[in-house]
Amino acid sequence: GENVEQHPSTLSVQEGDSAVIKCTYSDSASNYFPWYKQELGKGPQLIIDIRSNVGEKKDQRIAVTLNKTAKHFSLHITETQPEDSAVYFCAASGRGGADGLTFGKGTHLIIQP
Amino acid sequence: EAGVAQSPRYKIIEKRQSVAFWCNPISGHATLYWYQQILGQGPKLLIQFQNNGVVDDSQLPKDRFSAERLKGVDSTLKIQPAKLEDSAVYLCASSPVGAGETQYFGPGTRLLVL
Repeated sequence: GENVEQHPSTLSVQEGDSAVIKCTYSDSASNYFPWYKQELGKGPQLIIDIRSNVGEKKDQRIAVTLNKTAKHFSLHITETQPEDSAVYFCAASGRGGADGLTFGKGTHLIIQP
Repeated sequence: EAGVAQSPRYKIIEKRQSVAFWCNPISGHATLYWYQQILGQGPKLLIQFQNNGVVDDSQLPKDRFSAERLKGVDSTLKIQPAKLEDSAVYLCASSPVGAGETQYFGPGTRLLVL
């Protein structure tokens, strides 16, 4: 089955700086890669996703890159703000997202004022 | 548009007792998922339904866990008997159709087994 590794487990950055979280996956059949943000006591919320026919996708301060050859994808947050503090999860799925998601272990992002 | 609803939000039981969780997906969403999230980890898929049929239950501990989705709408996840290691947040998610659609998560049910 699919295995998703996520690094780092904790990331502390100064407000206004950029944050980068990296994930690798094992199953070459995976073709859908979403990123979720989870705040304390809440369910995961999708912030951005990318499919295997695209190498990069951007939405305002958030961008995701995908390298299918190396089987890794990354989340980039620019101009970080205090409200970006949360746990971020990467995930992978086959059949374009029709399969259930395999999640990484999460990154606790801390924005220092 | 109303989100995925789950109840109860919190549950405390003793080991060997039984417990049930309820999920109401977003209206019109054909696919429903149950995930288990142990503290400090990412969610793990337990079972996936397409309408009222099971698509994937390969990671569901079938000796103690069961789930059903009657009429292809609401779903119930049951644990009987519960073990200490079942302490986790149980998340329900739904998506509009099977392929290529975003999964929307509910707030989860936090279970503590004593």
